[in-house]
Parts: sequence; structure tokens; C-alpha cells
Amino acid sequence: NAGVTQTPKFQVLKTGQSMTLQCAQDMNHNSMYWYRQDPGMGLRLIYYSASEGTTDKGEVPNGYNVSRLNKREFSLRLESAAPSQTSVYFCASSVATTGTGTTQYFGPGTRLLVL
Amino acid sequence: KNEVEQSPQNLTAQEGEFITINCSYSVGISALHWLQQHPGGGIVSLFMLSSGKKKHGRLIATINIQEKHSSLHITASHPRDSAVYICAVTRNNDMRFGAGTRLTVKP
Repeated sequence: NAGVTQTPKFQVLKTGQSMTLQCAQDMNHNSMYWYRQDPGMGLRLIYYSASEGTTDKGEVPNGYNVSRLNKREFSLRLESAAPSQTSVYFCASSVATTGTGTTQYFGPGTRLLVL
Repeated sequence: KNEVEQSPQNLTAQEGEFITINCSYSVGISALHWLQQHPGGGIVSLFMLSSGKKKHGRLIATINIQEKHSSLHITASHPRDSAVYICAVTRNNDMRFGAGTRLTVKP
């Protein structure tokens, strides 16, 4: 039982390049989330998927797109990376959406540097 | 002003000391969470609570809904407790996080 896995662990991009961050969970959770974490700031929600087939914007969605490929997988895409997107990205999952106050399980994070 | 404020930002303690980290929030919530972020970056959930008090080992979390305040206590602190402790609140389908408290416990 691997929990929540993320790939890659670390990535360097040039401004304007695109990339997809992958996330998968093996806990049969319905809800999945993408966050970014910047120094001195709390985690901020980018997008979430309450259930398979649905996605919704979070607090900071600009510059990102997501795909809930199936119940296990939730990917985050940067179409044209900008230096402001340099951050650590965390994927998380939970049995249900946070509206019911359920515990979230986090992946190990992806460290992204945009030059 | 952030919706979730933590204090202190940084805390250094000697092994064995009793530790308190505070969290205040300004919005109505369905639950409050305490998370621990290890020096390596991994994040684990410690507690989720909507009222009263919860205890797990040497960790105790309390919440006062009327005062919109929560505390995380660590009894008999140990160097392995060194980490960033994060308070988060959930409302609707949203989760908002504090900036974290960096705890260092010295032997």
C-alpha cells in the first residue's frame, strides 16, 4: 500500500515550457487535491476533484489545468511555465471532500524550479 | 490578514519541555486539522477535530469553537518532534492553511 505517490520528485523547466505532474493513490479515495507550498506561506489549493469525473478550482488556479484520469490518478499540467510557478507541489487524497472534514493523505511532493 | 494565523512562527525548546502552538482562525469552519511536516518535506495529518480535545501519545489538540482558537500541545518534547506544525481549517470544499510553526527541540 503505497498511499499517495507523485512523479517526478524534482524538475527544472525553462520559462514557457510545459509539463505534467502525476499523482496516484491506492486507497480508493474519492477526492484528490493539488496544492502548492511557497516559503513563508501556507499550502494553497490549486484544484481539487471531489469525485471521479469532476474538477473544481481552488484558491490559485491560474496557469494550471488538471485531469482526473480515473479514480486513482489526478494530474496537474503547466501549459507555459513561469518563474512564479517555482514551488513545491503536493498532491493529497481523502475519502470524501473536505466539506465533511475528512483527513487528507499527502504525497511526498514535487519540487519545481522554473528558470 | 490570513484566515488562519499561527503563533509562534518559530519555537526552540529543550528536550523534555512542554510545548504549545496556537492557531486562530477568522471564518466559520467544519473542522480544524493539525499537520506535521517533516524536515524531509513529507506531510502527515495528526488530528482532525471539530470540538473539544483529542490526545494521541504525547500530543494533545484542543479547540474552542466560540473563540475560534485551537492549541497543539506536546508533552515531554523530544528532538524527533522537530518539524513544522501546520494548522488548517476546512469549510465547504475548501481547506485553508496557516503558514506553520517551525519547532526545534534540542537535546
